[in-house]
Amino acid sequence: AQTVTQSQPEMSVQEAETVTLSCTYDTSESDYYLFWYKQPPSRQMILVIRQEAYKQQNATENRFSVNFQKAAKSFSLKISDSQLGDAAMYFCAYRRRLDNNNDMRFGAGTRLTVKP
Amino acid sequence: DGGITQSPKYLFRKEGQNVTLSCEQNLNHDAMYWYRQDPGQGLRLIYYSQIVNDFQKGDIAEGYSVSREKKESFPLTVTSAQKNPTAFYLCASSIGVGQGAGANVLTFGAGSRLTVL
Repeated sequence: AQTVTQSQPEMSVQEAETVTLSCTYDTSESDYYLFWYKQPPSRQMILVIRQEAYKQQNATENRFSVNFQKAAKSFSLKISDSQLGDAAMYFCAYRRRLDNNNDMRFGAGTRLTVKP
Repeated sequence: DGGITQSPKYLFRKEGQNVTLSCEQNLNHDAMYWYRQDPGQGLRLIYYSQIVNDFQKGDIAEGYSVSREKKESFPLTVTSAQKNPTAFYLCASSIGVGQGAGANVLTFGAGSRLTVL
């Protein structure tokens, strides 16, 4: 079974600074998707960024970017120019690309605090 | 606006009672999912449905039941057989498997908090 590990239960960053959240995963598959979801205090899960394993280029979405290291099975999220609104729980998730059922696996989450 | 509506937001249950959490989506998505979230843990899959009148058990289906009579609706019943039902429950949906890359992206509702008294 695939597992997703987020080794940092909590992180903090100063407003306007950069922070990196770590995620590793375990799989024997070669074709899959990786995701970062954000869960703010409202508890609504919001997709932050998505990476397809067959793409070597790291995904970026405005201030959010990933460092995808397929061989190391690592998928970290970098948040640049941190804003107060970035404070939330962040979940890393994995899903096989070809999936006739649901096999999305989530890490335990990292709570990010942004200090003004 | 399209989205997923979960109700109620907060629900209290006495031990031995069954309760039903509602999930409605107007995104025209084929697939729907129920997840449970506990403190310090990631989301765990309870049930999912890829199409109307069909659903499959996830990792922690014991003590739960679902139905999928309409494309838009996927209610979850927490039965008295669920030993530790106090948790936050999230409903999600996606376009169907085989419909492209978007099938892998989940859209979530705002969640329902269930507390057993």
